[in-house]
Amino acid sequence: DAGITQSPRHKVTETGTPVTLRCHQTENHRYMYWYRQDPGHGLRLIHYSYGVKDTDKGEVSDGYSVSRSKTEDFLLTLESATSSQTSVYFCAISLAGIGETQYFGPGTRLLVL
Amino acid sequence: QQQVKQSPQSLIVQKGGISIINCAYENTAFDYFPWYQQFPGKGPALLIAIRPDVSEKKEGRFTISFNKSAKQFSLHIMDSQPGDSATYFCAASTNAGGTSYGKLTFGQGTILTVHP
Repeated sequence: DAGITQSPRHKVTETGTPVTLRCHQTENHRYMYWYRQDPGHGLRLIHYSYGVKDTDKGEVSDGYSVSRSKTEDFLLTLESATSSQTSVYFCAISLAGIGETQYFGPGTRLLVL
Repeated sequence: QQQVKQSPQSLIVQKGGISIINCAYENTAFDYFPWYQQFPGKGPALLIAIRPDVSEKKEGRFTISFNKSAKQFSLHIMDSQPGDSATYFCAASTNAGGTSYGKLTFGQGTILTVHP
């Protein structure tokens, strides 16, 4: 998985609790992305980062926030988890952004009860 | 708004047959079209990609056909093998304005099953 780890790999939580997912890369790639994967929707971009402390919203950002204080770490926080946020979350990295391969991590399976 | 529509949702092919997956897009500014392959329990991985300045790109048994006027592109898998059984996603991105940062818009995915 191209030097990308995600933690935790599985998580069960309750509605209303905050949850933080971590993506860690050892490739020194500038661009990092968070996607969620749901049946019938493919992968949808939540947030992305184009450098340390440089982040922006994707198409499904409501209820999520991100932070990137170091090149290698990109954190995704569900501020108050809801059942609709039950999903598989993937982190991806890219060396140069547009037109470049995105390498995906192994995913985090999140269940919100 | 779904900007990339993928079909079929699922596909069953016999070993040695041709698998064809189609995608249609709406945004004429898209200028990079990758296909990703995903095995169960794994993250997607880039399979092949094309830019709109060519109508076809082939890598081994995998071919992308691109029709700019129809705003459609497709993945052809020749001599399909059981090991090709996976979920396939088309995607698209644009560098319009120089601020896309490589954001990908994905199709809904196609589950391919190749029977021995």
